[in-house]
Amino acid sequence: ILNVEQSPQSLHVQEGDSTNFTCSFPSSNFYALHWYRWETAKSPEALFVMTLNGDEKKKGRISATLNTKEGYSYLYIKGSQPEDSATYLCASFISSGSARQLTFGSGTQLTVLP
Amino acid sequence: DTGVSQNPRHKITKRGQNVTFRCDPISEHNRLYWYRQTLGQGPEFLTYFQNEAQLEKSRLLSDRFSAERPKGSFSTLEIQRTEQGDSAMYLCASTTAGLVPSPYEQYFGPGTRLTVT
Repeated sequence: ILNVEQSPQSLHVQEGDSTNFTCSFPSSNFYALHWYRWETAKSPEALFVMTLNGDEKKKGRISATLNTKEGYSYLYIKGSQPEDSATYLCASFISSGSARQLTFGSGTQLTVLP
Repeated sequence: DTGVSQNPRHKITKRGQNVTFRCDPISEHNRLYWYRQTLGQGPEFLTYFQNEAQLEKSRLLSDRFSAERPKGSFSTLEIQRTEQGDSAMYLCASTTAGLVPSPYEQYFGPGTRLTVT
């Protein structure tokens, strides 16, 4: 059974603080790691798709790293703003036989206090 | 709006009734996924289509669930004889993929929230 774990489950930070979350995943049949941002009442929005060990990606104040050998990814937010408040989901994309699917973690709910 | 759309956004039904949800993917996307998300959990994979072919179904998809994607465009997910445990957010996502595995990001719709009373 493929299990993707995220920590912490929830997080409250002050505006301007930097923060980071962890995603761990089994490395067998690993193909890619996705990060999504899901605001209440909106659609989940893709942040990053990462495939290579050591990969680092950045979008504005948000960045992510990937370690496929040990099975973890970090998401960093620099200088958090209230509009960053959302649930951040990671998902491991497996490709095995005919299976082409994302397995999601349960998310980290971030609240940025003004 | 050229994103993924889902209808209805909310559905309240009584136990035992049948419900059907619709997903309209981004038009050029050939792969369509259905997920179910319950409180405190991430989305769980239900099934996916490449064009009109349903290529994989999760064991979560009991006999009461059926999905179709006629003509490889929109998709429907039907739940027969609903149970209270079916209450969840049902999400649809689309992406484009070729004959080889591709990790492309998925574009999600806003979901249909089902409440079974």
